[in-house]
Amino acid sequence: GAVVSQHPSRVICKSGTSVKIECRSLDFQATTMFWYRQFPKQSLMLMATSNEGSKATYEQGVEKDKFLINHASLTLSTLTVTSAHPEDSSFYICSARGGMGGNTSTDTQYFGPGTRLTVL
Amino acid sequence: GNSVTQMEGPVTLSEEAFLTINCTYTATGYPSLFWYVQYPGEGLQLLLKATKADDKGSNKGFEATYRKETTSFHLEKGSVQVSDSAVYFCALRSPNAGKSTFGDGTTLTVKP
Repeated sequence: GAVVSQHPSRVICKSGTSVKIECRSLDFQATTMFWYRQFPKQSLMLMATSNEGSKATYEQGVEKDKFLINHASLTLSTLTVTSAHPEDSSFYICSARGGMGGNTSTDTQYFGPGTRLTVL
Repeated sequence: GNSVTQMEGPVTLSEEAFLTINCTYTATGYPSLFWYVQYPGEGLQLLLKATKADDKGSNKGFEATYRKETTSFHLEKGSVQVSDSAVYFCALRSPNAGKSTFGDGTTLTVKP
């Protein structure tokens, strides 16, 4: 139980294009999902918290127009990096708070495998 | 606000050595405490957790005990293996909090 998937696992794109990353909770319903960014050999940086059916809450310093988050269902959240630039290259990780199903606990975050974004 | 302080790394050990990674926290109320592990190129995996004082979380030979009196949740393993090489994150979540608070991570390298 408690499987969270991300797609794609790796993406390379040209500067100025937009990239969409999907995060799915496969065997449980997640009302809350989180998006993190991680630079090499550094800790996680929380970008935003998304709740199903409502607008995401962004952390200070994260551009909401740059990083569009949609949480349209209880099992899917998407992060779109708009007009990507080389400085957006990073490892993006989503996580879902446990909810109904999958033998999960609501006090625990379950993480996806991450998406490596490289912007040329 | 909530905070988690982890032992700074990197930590390098020989195979079969004893491991301790210190973690202390500051939080309101009675948080749940977690250890996550991140292997190279992967996302985080929940390693173990404890939800109340004196609880011991354990998994894959790793243990951590929730010590409220010292606000600590130190990770231990009696005999590490090369395959334990990874980054370890300590985290907490207060009841009714919207998000978890993570430490900065400790990199462990185990040499044969």
